[in-house]
Amino acid sequence: DIVMTQSPDSLSVSLGERATINCKSSQSILYSSNNKNFLSWYQLKPGQPPKLLVYWASTRESGVPDRFSGSGSGTDFTLTISNLQAEDVALYYCQQFYLTPWTFGQGTKVEIK
Amino acid sequence: QVQLVQSGAEVKKPGASVRVSCSASGYIFSSHYIQWVRQTPGQGLEWMGWISPETGDTNFAQKFQGRVTLTRDTSINTAYMELSRLTSDDTAVYYCAREGFISTAKTKYFYGMDVWGQGTTVTVSS
Repeated sequence: DIVMTQSPDSLSVSLGERATINCKSSQSILYSSNNKNFLSWYQLKPGQPPKLLVYWASTRESGVPDRFSGSGSGTDFTLTISNLQAEDVALYYCQQFYLTPWTFGQGTKVEIK
Repeated sequence: QVQLVQSGAEVKKPGASVRVSCSASGYIFSSHYIQWVRQTPGQGLEWMGWISPETGDTNFAQKFQGRVTLTRDTSINTAYMELSRLTSDDTAVYYCAREGFISTAKTKYFYGMDVWGQGTTVTVSS
């Protein structure tokens, strides 16, 4: 199985500042036929289902604020939340869909400092 | 609008089975895989498997092999997940989700789970 490892497990960021979450896969998840990384980022808030934020490592889902951005390729990926807002307090997960079983990172909790 | 609506919360005893339904609307049900993911207390998200509503093909995480059954009824645009031999470790919120894709002339490229059901809480307790 591909192991997804996120860091840090939690972080506290002041309103308006930047939050950076890292995700590392145990093997490359770059799909050669379309040169896309099969990695998605999800936001999870209490009592709500997960929400897709970013797919193919760097493509923002429709309707997601542009303060959310994804980057990286191969095995190392980053989700950046610039200008952190109060509503961004949540758990964030990366997930690979390159090989089954699809696997998630352990999650990163983002809080307001 | 595109939505997935799941069945209500369940309380089960150890050893029992549970079936969760996922009713789709607002899109062509057969065109998108349905994924099943669970969130266990204190744990993160865990992928369980998927079903193709068009063909009925399934794929499961090895962990659930032999215990999970994924089916669908295309006449009512509904997918089902049944989990048997429940233990307390199966206490979780279970989600269905639609697998999004972008088509080219030659193939489909999946991009993640773009529409989610509201979740079904399953509690296993004696």
